Amino acid sequence: EVQLVQSGAEVKKPGDSLKISCKGSGHSFTNYWIGWVRQMPGKGLEWMGIIYPGDSDTRYSPSFQGQVALSVDKSISTAYLRWSSLKASDTAMYYCARLLDYTTVPHFDNWGQGTLVTVSS
Amino acid sequence: DIQMTQSPSSVSASVGDRVTITCRASQGISSWLAWYQQRPGKAPKLLIYAASSLQSGVPSRFSGSGSGTDFTLTISSLQPEDFATYYCQQANSFPHTFGGGTMVEIK
Repeated sequence: EVQLVQSGAEVKKPGDSLKISCKGSGHSFTNYWIGWVRQMPGKGLEWMGIIYPGDSDTRYSPSFQGQVALSVDKSISTAYLRWSSLKASDTAMYYCARLLDYTTVPHFDNWGQGTLVTVSS
Repeated sequence: DIQMTQSPSSVSASVGDRVTITCRASQGISSWLAWYQQRPGKAPKLLIYAASSLQSGVPSRFSGSGSGTDFTLTISSLQPEDFATYYCQQANSFPHTFGGGTMVEIK
């Protein structure tokens, strides 16, 4: 069974740095792109970017380029989403998800449970 | 970015009703479209990809159609577990944008 297990909820202050994680199991982690999706409170889904664990190739949404960084540690089948300086507007639920196939079905077929990030002074 | 516009933003329906949700792309996306269901407090779930292909394990009462700029998700006979928010997503070009969502509520 494919599983993506995300790290727990975080409460941070503006200006703090943060890295949240997404650990994959039940599939060949290095062969599937992993994406991140933001959902602000009461709002819709926003596509942030994707990363290929095999070689760390990335694609970012222009809205998130420079605001966050995607990375992976393929030795432990884990993808990361990192902020260097959080803002209150980063408060949201963040989901990681597996891209079914980059060329034929570039949609997310398995999702993590979400990580709630709260940024407040 | 390609803008995805869903309508209606919400719909009230009863168990057994037929429900149709539409999604319009700001430019042609061929059939690079998926539909997701999100129940409250849960992660989204892939229902349909390639505009009309049913994801494994998804009930056949869900169907999708369309190509180019106009797409439709139909639930043929609404079940209690179908009350949720539905999102379309294009994958024609990066970023793979989502529509704003359609909430299906109990009448």
